Amino acid sequence: EAQVTQNPRYLITVTGKKLTVTCSQNMNHEYMSWYRQDPGLGLRQIYYSMNVEVTDKGDVPEGYKVSRKEKRNFPLILESPSPNQTSLYFCASSLRGQGLPKRDSPLHFGNGTRLTVT
Amino acid sequence: QKEVEQNSGPLSVPEGAIASLNCTYSDQGSQSFFWYRQYSGKSPELIMFIYSNGDKEDGRFTAQLNKASQYVSLLIRDSQPSDSATYLCAVKRAGGTSYGKLTFGQGTILTVHP
Repeated sequence: EAQVTQNPRYLITVTGKKLTVTCSQNMNHEYMSWYRQDPGLGLRQIYYSMNVEVTDKGDVPEGYKVSRKEKRNFPLILESPSPNQTSLYFCASSLRGQGLPKRDSPLHFGNGTRLTVT
Repeated sequence: QKEVEQNSGPLSVPEGAIASLNCTYSDQGSQSFFWYRQYSGKSPELIMFIYSNGDKEDGRFTAQLNKASQYVSLLIRDSQPSDSATYLCAVKRAGGTSYGKLTFGQGTILTVHP
């Protein structure tokens, strides 16, 4: 089954304790991205990757790191989590990162990771 | 001004009515426009995308785009209780032939009551 898999689904941690949220897709997609979703703010992009070893900042990258060493995996790393990073996180992927509007390919989302930092 | 704005709602319509969801964007060079549906506790899923001025229809859904007014809308005909969800507008910004520049609105909560 084609899917984007995030782990864990739920995570409670304490301030300053490094954590990694994994994201894997089995669709051979070039593009992957991380979003956080907060009430009233919608989905905000954290980082994205156009392909292996190519990553760039989104709108809210502070406090996060990513890597794209393999095409299928795009982990999100919080080196020193803080309470303001408590949020619902989504990983998403798309066949292509670039293309003319006619060639847009849809974003496939993972099931989300609900992170609480105390 | 937010780059992509939606009325957060909630928008409540009776079953069988037309639900109209609106979205405005600030970047005049925006190229592609997407509507996602998100059920409570679930991840967003794509309903439609549109890139040319005018209407695009898919079943009960119609997306409308007016680039001059920087306005995109989603009409849901014959609304059903199963359409109750949050609807997210997303815009691919100028210079953004890539999803690297995809911005979401805050979403509109739609409730369809029997």
